[in-house]
Amino acid sequence: GQNIDQPTEMTATEGAIVQINCTYQTSGFNGLFWYQQHAGEAPTFLSYNVLDGLEEKGRFSSFLSRSKGYSYLLLKELQMKDSASYLCAVRVVQSDSWGKLQFGAGTQVVVTP
Amino acid sequence: EAQVTQNPRYLITVTGKKLTVTCSQNMNHEYMSWYRQDPGLGLRQIYYSMNVEVTDKGDVPEGYKVSRKEKRNFPLILESPSPNQTSLYFCASSREETQYFGPGTRLLVL
Repeated sequence: GQNIDQPTEMTATEGAIVQINCTYQTSGFNGLFWYQQHAGEAPTFLSYNVLDGLEEKGRFSSFLSRSKGYSYLLLKELQMKDSASYLCAVRVVQSDSWGKLQFGAGTQVVVTP
Repeated sequence: EAQVTQNPRYLITVTGKKLTVTCSQNMNHEYMSWYRQDPGLGLRQIYYSMNVEVTDKGDVPEGYKVSRKEKRNFPLILESPSPNQTSLYFCASSREETQYFGPGTRLLVL
């Protein structure tokens, strides 16, 4: 089976940096995604990593290490609007299926003034 | 406007009464998927479809059916709903790596 772990909650101050870790144990790994979900809303896509390394998109960066089964999402210059749940998801390819996506339970980030 | 739409947005029903949640996208995406979201469990994939007439099970397919007769539509069918299917359901479609979610359907089965 698959196992995706991320912290339940993190708190940080406006203007600071927060790093959300995600570890996974999976066979057939085919990419890792990060999504943002505000309360009562649908998730929105933030980033995708399939090769090792860092992907940067403005204030958000995502890192992947396939050998360690590890990723992180880095949020810089935190703003109050960044208070949301951040979801880590892994795409898996297996002999009987491809395109299956599995999510962690999400990390609630609380940004304080 | 590029979007994924779901209907209904809210539904209260009773055990055993068949229901269908519709999902439609106007972005010509090949990949579509259904998820349910429950507190503490996160998003779990029910079914997905790589293209027309091609569907596959996700992690929690029991009690659900889907069909993909046209590219734009991917309805979710609950033949005999039970209270443990009370949840928030999301439909999504994607091209390449960006997945777009619908607004969600909140279902209560009594």
